[in-house]
Parts: sequence; C-alpha cells; structure tokens
Amino acid sequence: SAVISQKPSRDICQRGTSLTIQCQVDSQVTMMFWYRQQPGQSLTLIATANQGSEATYESGFVIDKFPISRPNLTFSTLTVSNMSPEDSSIYLCSVVATGFINTEAFFGQGTRLTVV
Amino acid sequence: SQQGEEDPQALSIQEGENATMNCSYKTSINNLQWYRQNSGRGLVHLILIRSNEREKHSGRLRVTLDTSKKSSSLLITASRAADTASYFCATGQAGTALIFGKGTTLSVSS
Repeated sequence: SAVISQKPSRDICQRGTSLTIQCQVDSQVTMMFWYRQQPGQSLTLIATANQGSEATYESGFVIDKFPISRPNLTFSTLTVSNMSPEDSSIYLCSVVATGFINTEAFFGQGTRLTVV
Repeated sequence: SQQGEEDPQALSIQEGENATMNCSYKTSINNLQWYRQNSGRGLVHLILIRSNEREKHSGRLRVTLDTSKKSSSLLITASRAADTASYFCATGQAGTALIFGKGTTLSVSS
C-alpha cells in the first residue's frame, strides 16, 4: 500500500495567481498521476508525472497552465497557473504500486481550490 | 476522458435496502475497480475485479463483470447511512492511469 500526503487541503485564490500543490508518497513509485475533478463531475486525468522526464499531458491540458515537477520517486508538485474561476476544482494525485498489473490506485486527500 | 457511463447518476434509498450501480466501458481492460468518495475528498478503493473474473465479493459488496458487454455492476447489500457517497468505476491497463466513469451519487437515509 501507499500513503500519500497532499497539501494544501484547500485554498481560496485570487484570479491571475498560481498555486502549487504538493504530493509526498511514503514509498518509491515510478509514476504519479494528477487528476482534476470539477464540481459535481468525475475525475479527469491531467498528466502522468515520471521521475527524470517531462510529464505527459492529456488532451486539453498544457504544460504552461499545469506545470509539473517530479524531482524524485516520492514527490511531485502540480502548479495551477494564471488561475481563473474555471479552475475551481478538486485536484488529486494518485499512484499505483510499481511493477504490479492488477493492483489498486492510491489517492491523496485532494486539494479543493476555489478561485475568486 | 471518461472511460464510460455509470447509471444511475443518482440513487436514493432507505437504510437496509440494496443499492445497485452499473458501469459500462469502451476499451479492453486488465481489471475494473470501484472506488468511493466521501464529500469530494480522496478516493477509497473498494474492490478490484480482473478481466478473467466474473464475480467478486467483499463484505457487503458484490461486483460482477461482463467483458462481452463491457459492463460491471456494484451491489451494496443492506445499505447503511454511512454508505452515502459517490461511487466510481475505473478501468486500467498495466502501467497507466485509471480512467474513471462518471459516477453514481448514493444517498442512504435512515
């Protein structure tokens, strides 16, 4: 299993500013995933963060808006840049156990972002 | 993008009743998983069923998988107020992120 510490748990930010969300995992994992959950919606994958290489972004998400760092195998950050009210969402990081095919994913507790 | 659809989108039942949620998906899978989310917080893993399995039980949960129809169902028996949450199915391939369905919001009243 993996325990993920995600912070901040919530924040209220002014439009035009940026927020960096951190995820710390208690074990080494190859890939970390960042999701966005808009109000009342399901989870949408933003990007996959690999250690030592640039993150891989899903369609509709770009690095300039959501820069990701992955300096080591236990830590990653997601920045939401130049925020607008449309960025108000819950952001979650997730990991899966390295080397296993049929295994559960683990999630941080999420960051509830409100942009005003 | 979402893998598939879940129905119903919302379900309201009384304590003690059974709750059934359905999920459909589009692509081939290694496994299908169900997660619960309370009040928009982090997701909690409930159960995983592999593509070569047809049914799996865990406590009051029963999951079925029909790969020919690309569908799964989650049954919660004898529901409790504490089961009130959103439930999501998710599918995955080895080494990739989970893709989530749209979810079912379950409300269990006492």
